[in-house]
Amino acid sequence: DAGVIQSPRHEVTEMGQEVTLRCKPISGHNSLFWYRQTMMRGLELLIYFNNNVPIDDSGMPEDRFSAKMPNASFSTLKIQPSEPRDSAVYFCASSYLGENEQFFGPGTRLTVL
Amino acid sequence: GQQVMQIPQYQHVQEGEDFTTYCNSSTTLSNIQWYKQRPGGHPVFLIQLVKSGEVKKQKRLTFQFGEAKKNSSLHITATQTTDVGTYFCAGYSSASKIIFGSGTRLSIRP
Repeated sequence: DAGVIQSPRHEVTEMGQEVTLRCKPISGHNSLFWYRQTMMRGLELLIYFNNNVPIDDSGMPEDRFSAKMPNASFSTLKIQPSEPRDSAVYFCASSYLGENEQFFGPGTRLTVL
Repeated sequence: GQQVMQIPQYQHVQEGEDFTTYCNSSTTLSNIQWYKQRPGGHPVFLIQLVKSGEVKKQKRLTFQFGEAKKNSSLHITATQTTDVGTYFCAGYSSASKIIFGSGTRLSIRP
């Protein structure tokens, strides 16, 4: 298995632009997690899905952030409009059932100028 | 709300010395996981502890889960340069909420 796949690996954009991050979980996993990592705030859980349904989105910073999982093999995290403080590494992770080992993707490094 | 505190934030040791990082939760956990993140990399799962008082070993790594299931520790015996990285605990509450600790960054003098 290729593991969790994230794209793009790096994104540089200007403030106000829309940013879409993509994730393909490991086949057969039914839980998907989106995290944000910064030096200041560490690793933060933004949202997680079980069987494509959002279970806990309490970590989503504000309405500018939205996440979807239209099917078991694809998820997106969208930021609209983006702001410089959104600059971070965004990780997607998947697991078989929510409380088992999580497999992280390589991350997307986002820079908002 | 639920909090998971991890200490120390940084640890710089001489190669061959031991290393320990601690996690403390404000609430009882259903289980706790440990991850390692190498510089520039992504978190990689190390282990999961579920039972009260559980102790698990992986070669030079020893993981413990407290009797009250509110704290945990990771101990590395005789550190090696390959141990460099940031170690995170991740606590799961009974409400299936997961919170990662802030991590302990381990650096090693050869």
